[in-house]
Amino acid sequence: AQSVTQLDSHVSVSEGTPVLLRCNYSSSYSPSLFWYVQHPNKGLQLLLKYTSAATLVKGINGFEAEFKKSETSFHLTKPSAHMSDAAEYFCVVKPFNTGNQFYFGTGTSLTVIP
Amino acid sequence: NAGVTQTPKFQVLKTGQSMTLQCAQDMNHEYMSWYRQDPGMGLRLIHYSVGAGITDQGEVPNGYNVSRSTTEDFPLRLLSAAPSQTSVYFCASRAGYTGELFFGEGSRLTVL
Repeated sequence: AQSVTQLDSHVSVSEGTPVLLRCNYSSSYSPSLFWYVQHPNKGLQLLLKYTSAATLVKGINGFEAEFKKSETSFHLTKPSAHMSDAAEYFCVVKPFNTGNQFYFGTGTSLTVIP
Repeated sequence: NAGVTQTPKFQVLKTGQSMTLQCAQDMNHEYMSWYRQDPGMGLRLIHYSVGAGITDQGEVPNGYNVSRSTTEDFPLRLLSAAPSQTSVYFCASRAGYTGELFFGEGSRLTVL
């Protein structure tokens, strides 16, 4: 069975401090992994994706994520939070062998305190 | 380049009414899909299509109907709206088997 767990439903950080959003997954085969961001009343925008190339993936707006197969994790990080980073973040898994099914985490709401 | 366009952005229905949510993409993507987003539940797949004339059910298909007559368009039909279908609906398309999803801006539906 495939699943995605975002370990924190809410994260608050101060502006200028590091951001860590945690994601664990279960997948029988090598998956493709994605992080999406959703600003209020907007659609989902791709931040970054892992598709079996380098395990450290760099995305837009200074975000990056590291694929750790041994820990089945794909945590999202950013060295310094900006006010514009306040949004909902979704970890998404597409297992290699499941055709067209993407599995979404339940989301992490990031608050940035000025 | 418009990407994925959804209409309407907002809609209020009464129980039992029917309606169609429109989705169009201009990226020549074969794969298109509909998701619903509910608080605390992430996104759940309703229906998807891998090309014109081909559709299949996702995780939560009951109460919804789809068709795909062209590559560009993938409408979602609510046959007899129920309050449980109050949600935000997203259309998404994908380029290639390993590509990421491209999302529209969503359609917020309220069923009274």
